[in-house]
Amino acid sequence: AQSVTQPDIHITVSEGASLELRCNYSYGATPYLFWYVQSPGQGLQLLLKYFSGDTLVQGIKGFEAEFKRSQSSFNLRKPSVHWSDAAEYFCAVGTPLIIQGAQKLVFGQGTRLTINP
Amino acid sequence: DVKVTQSSRYLVKRTGEKVFLECVQDMDHENMFWYRQDPGLGLRLIYFSYDVKMKEKGDIPEGYSVSREKKERFSLILESASTNQTSMYLCASSSPAGLNTEAFFGQGTRLTVV
Repeated sequence: AQSVTQPDIHITVSEGASLELRCNYSYGATPYLFWYVQSPGQGLQLLLKYFSGDTLVQGIKGFEAEFKRSQSSFNLRKPSVHWSDAAEYFCAVGTPLIIQGAQKLVFGQGTRLTINP
Repeated sequence: DVKVTQSSRYLVKRTGEKVFLECVQDMDHENMFWYRQDPGLGLRLIYFSYDVKMKEKGDIPEGYSVSREKKERFSLILESASTNQTSMYLCASSSPAGLNTEAFFGQGTRLTVV
């Protein structure tokens, strides 16, 4: 069965420091991978997605992620975090449903990011 | 701006009550989803719908049902609310354009069952 693991439940970094959030997936075929962000009290917003091609994908808000098939990883990075980046981050893999054209997202447990001033 | 709107941000219900959570999307999407979010568990799929009046169970359907009478609206029903259904509920929608389409999420409904 498809699964996503985010090993870090909570990470604290200082403002201006670099960030890397880890994501490992288990999926038999070519994965469709996503990173979403959830600010406090809000729904989920898509940061970036990977389907094929260049393994380094750029997203919104200065985030990027690198797909490494050999490591089954899709880690999220940002060179310099801002206080507004404090949020919860979810990695997800898209898996097809029995109905053609429909997919569901299987999510990791989430990583809560705290920013120190 | 695309939108998925959930009718309530916060709900408090009593054990045994029948509870309706409503979700409306304005993107003409065929697919709609209900997820449940719990700390340390991420989001888990309860039900999804791929067309009007069509529905399929997700990973944790027990204690829930759904209704989709119109394309833009997808309702989650707790037939008899229990305290273990206290959670954040998120609705999402997507187009059936393939596996590379993203899902758009509502802001969530935080349900407390007392």
